[in-house]
Amino acid sequence: EVQLVESGGGLVQPGGSLRLSCEASGFTFSSYWMSWVRQAPGKGLEWVANIKEDGSEKYYVDSVKGRFTISRDNAKNSLYLQMNSLRAEDTAVYYCVSRSRGSSGFRWDYWGQGTLVTVSS
Amino acid sequence: DIQMTQSPSSLSASVGDRVTITCRASQSIRSYLNWYQQKPGKAPKLLIYAASSLQSGVPSTFSGSGSGTDFTLTISSLQPEDFATYYCQQSYSTPETFGQGTKLEIK
Repeated sequence: EVQLVESGGGLVQPGGSLRLSCEASGFTFSSYWMSWVRQAPGKGLEWVANIKEDGSEKYYVDSVKGRFTISRDNAKNSLYLQMNSLRAEDTAVYYCVSRSRGSSGFRWDYWGQGTLVTVSS
Repeated sequence: DIQMTQSPSSLSASVGDRVTITCRASQSIRSYLNWYQQKPGKAPKLLIYAASSLQSGVPSTFSGSGSGTDFTLTISSLQPEDFATYYCQQSYSTPETFGQGTKLEIK
C-alpha cells in the first residue's frame, strides 16, 4: 500500500522558516517525480514544486521561487520542502504527492494527508 | 500560464442523476488533462488522467472526454459518496494549473 506521510507543519511568524518532510512507502520512491501541492483554507489547489527522480531537475511556482527549496533523499525515501521568508499568503495545507508520467503528461496519483502551515504573528 | 475554467462552480443534484462538469483551458492542452475528487478534510483523489483514462479503482460511473481546450467529467449515476468538490488540472506546461473547483451538493 502506497503511503505518503507529511510532517513539520505548524505556526510560524511572517519572515520565519519551516521545513516540511514526507516519508514515502509502498512504492519505488527513487523512480518517481515528486511534488508539493498546497491548498489555502477554503480555497482551491495550487501546485508548488516538482523534483525529478534523481533530484537533478526542480521547478517552482513563481510565487515561491527564491524562498522555497524542494529536495529529496532517495536512500531515506523522503521528500522535503524548505520554506524561508514565509508570508501570510503561504498559509495552507501542504500535500506531498507522487507524480506519474504517461503518454499524455504527468498525473498526481498518490497524495499524503497534508500538513498545515500557518503564517501569522 | 494556462488558465483552467470550470463550470459550473457549484451544482445540486440527486442520487441517480447524470451529471456533467466542464473544464476549459485558455489554450490547447491536447489531452494533458486530469480530474480529481476532494471530500472535506481529505486529500484529493485522482479520478481520470489523460482526459479519458480511468484511474485504477475508480468506479466506471466516472468518465472523461475532450481534447484541445474543452473537456468534460461525467458521472453517469450519482451515488451518495460522489458528493464532493471536483478539480480539473492541466499537465501540458509548467506551472501546472487547476480549475477553481466544482462543488457537487445533494439536492
